[in-house]
Amino acid sequence: EAGVTQSPTHLIKTRGQQATLRCSPISGHTSVYWYQQALGLGLQFLLWYDEGEERNRGNFPPRFSGRQFPNYSSELNVNALELEDSALYLCASSPMAGGNTEAFFGQGTRLTVV
Amino acid sequence: AQTVTQSQPEMSVQEAETVTLSCTYDTSENNYYLFWYKQPPSRQMILVIRQEAYKQQNATENRFSVNFQKAAKSFSLKISDSQLGDTAMYFCAFMNPSGAGSYQLTFGKGTKLSVIP
Repeated sequence: EAGVTQSPTHLIKTRGQQATLRCSPISGHTSVYWYQQALGLGLQFLLWYDEGEERNRGNFPPRFSGRQFPNYSSELNVNALELEDSALYLCASSPMAGGNTEAFFGQGTRLTVV
Repeated sequence: AQTVTQSQPEMSVQEAETVTLSCTYDTSENNYYLFWYKQPPSRQMILVIRQEAYKQQNATENRFSVNFQKAAKSFSLKISDSQLGDTAMYFCAFMNPSGAGSYQLTFGKGTKLSVIP
């Protein structure tokens, strides 16, 4: 069974541009979570989607947005890129929202803003 | 808001020895979940072990076990018989399954563990 897949693996953008990151959850998983892992800051929760709806978002500005498609795949969009947005972006999926279900992570997209 | 603190940025252990990674957390909730995740150089986060706060028994998964002290809000990870493949970043994480921040994981900043041959 395929795991959580993220694309692209690496992405280089210039300041002010927009970046689009994609995530395909494990088949049958309806919840998708996005996390930002910036150097020295650990993992910070960005967004949670479940059944096509945004359920919660972390303490990030509105230029971080996303959506979940009918097939439960998800997109993270970052507008007006800033140098500080350089980070590893991790996507995770779970069968349903719940603490007793494991969240499976993808290998991330390394975004570099120059 | 919940916070998770890992006070050991880096640790090392000899192969086959035992090592303990520390984690403390702060919450006013009574029902929650705690996790240890491993992130090897491949970058993929892998769940090592999970503890439910209402269970008094410490979780164990093969060579990995936890010491969960609810009153002290402490959740340490013990790795026995350390292997070279255990070299990785280890993250402690907290989840509260109710309230505004439901189901999202709050992570500590991680402990970089190196297993020395």
